[in-house]
Amino acid sequence: GAVVSQHPSRVICKSGTSVKIECRSLDFQATTMFWYRQFPKQSLMLMATSNEGSKATYEQGVEKDKFLINHASLTLSTLTVTSAHPEDSSFYICSARDLWGEDTEAFFGQGTRLTVV
Amino acid sequence: AQTVTQSQPEMSVQEAETVTLSCTYDTSESDYYLFWYKQPPSRQMILVIRQEAYKQQNATENRFSVNFQKAAKSFSLKISDSQLGDAAMYFCAYRSAGTYKYIFGTGTRLKVLA
Repeated sequence: GAVVSQHPSRVICKSGTSVKIECRSLDFQATTMFWYRQFPKQSLMLMATSNEGSKATYEQGVEKDKFLINHASLTLSTLTVTSAHPEDSSFYICSARDLWGEDTEAFFGQGTRLTVV
Repeated sequence: AQTVTQSQPEMSVQEAETVTLSCTYDTSESDYYLFWYKQPPSRQMILVIRQEAYKQQNATENRFSVNFQKAAKSFSLKISDSQLGDAAMYFCAYRSAGTYKYIFGTGTRLKVLA
């Protein structure tokens, strides 16, 4: 299957700073990528849909000014957590669909564990 | 809005035995897809099996099979000949035909006993 890579896999940042997480489709193009958040021992919750060349679509309750999403190319979406606070500590996972593929499923990155201290 | 429910927070199975994980969902759509994902301690989401709603035949992948009951909106996963490597968190997921965003259930932690 297609490969989605996230970077970094782990990051620790100080409260009040911003941190950027990258999601790359390595061997396919993706006009749409998805960002999920997973709290410890909980399920994945969709945060936003990242659209190449246009604004992201955020799920209800997700602060778009806090979680900035940029999808500048067909292989890269970034999630920036601005002014991070300890409650933003979580596991963030992206997924992407192969624009030209016939797969019925999206492909997931390996996730990024964010710890805000 | 669509919802996915997994009522078993945790299940245990003896090695080489069979276990069934339950999943129910709610939707008013007729065209959709259902999935089971495995999430080991590494947290990487691994696709176990998929089912297209328009297919009546239950999907199978080696030791993994599903019991898809469309009218009852039920989608259970059966793992046969359980192996130690099957121990993980299992998520049931739904996606509408027109999008690739997923709705996940709360997960079932599967323990495999040697």
